[in-house]
Amino acid sequence: EAGVAQSPRYKIIEKRQSVAFWCNPISGHATLYWYQQILGQGPKLLIQFQNNGVVDDSQLPKDRFSAERLKGVDSTLKIQPAKLEDSAVYLCASSLALAVDVTDTQYFGPGTRLTVL
Amino acid sequence: KQEVTQIPAALSVPEGENLVLNCSFTDSAIYNLQWFRQDPGKGLTSLLLIQSSQREQTSGRLNASLDKSSGRSTLYIAASQPGDSATYLCAVSTGANNLFFGTGTRLTVIP
Repeated sequence: EAGVAQSPRYKIIEKRQSVAFWCNPISGHATLYWYQQILGQGPKLLIQFQNNGVVDDSQLPKDRFSAERLKGVDSTLKIQPAKLEDSAVYLCASSLALAVDVTDTQYFGPGTRLTVL
Repeated sequence: KQEVTQIPAALSVPEGENLVLNCSFTDSAIYNLQWFRQDPGKGLTSLLLIQSSQREQTSGRLNASLDKSSGRSTLYIAASQPGDSATYLCAVSTGANNLFFGTGTRLTVIP
């Protein structure tokens, strides 16, 4: 079974530039998550999708971050414009979780390491 | 707000030793607790998931315990091996699959 795919694996940009990350979840997984992991910290949830609807985006800095999951499969996370403090690993995860109140194992992709100069 | 703390931040042990990693959380109203492993440049791998009604889970050389009332969990690794070297993360779920992660314990097993 193929795992969660993410691209690119690494990205270096200058502050105020824009960047986009892509995630392809495990086939059949209804729920998709984006996490931000700053060096030395644990991952922090940015946004959670159930199919193509947003379940939780309370920790997403909406003035600069946006995410979409068209057709309930692939997802993109965009930062525009980037700041120095956005340097982190961005992890995508997916789970079967067919309902919001169902807890299920999350499977993580390898992440995209973003460096903002 | 849920806060998760892991102690120690880093740990080095000789091969073959048994070890315990600690995790504490501030809000005992959790759905479950998970232990993850993270290798450099790779994503997280779920090791064990303990539902809030359970006391422990075992998988091979790993045993995780949960004391929800005191807000604590431990991950016990028996007979450690160099391949166990990684960062171990504890995460609690408060519902809707929202995971709150600790900062992790970086484990090094010395051959």
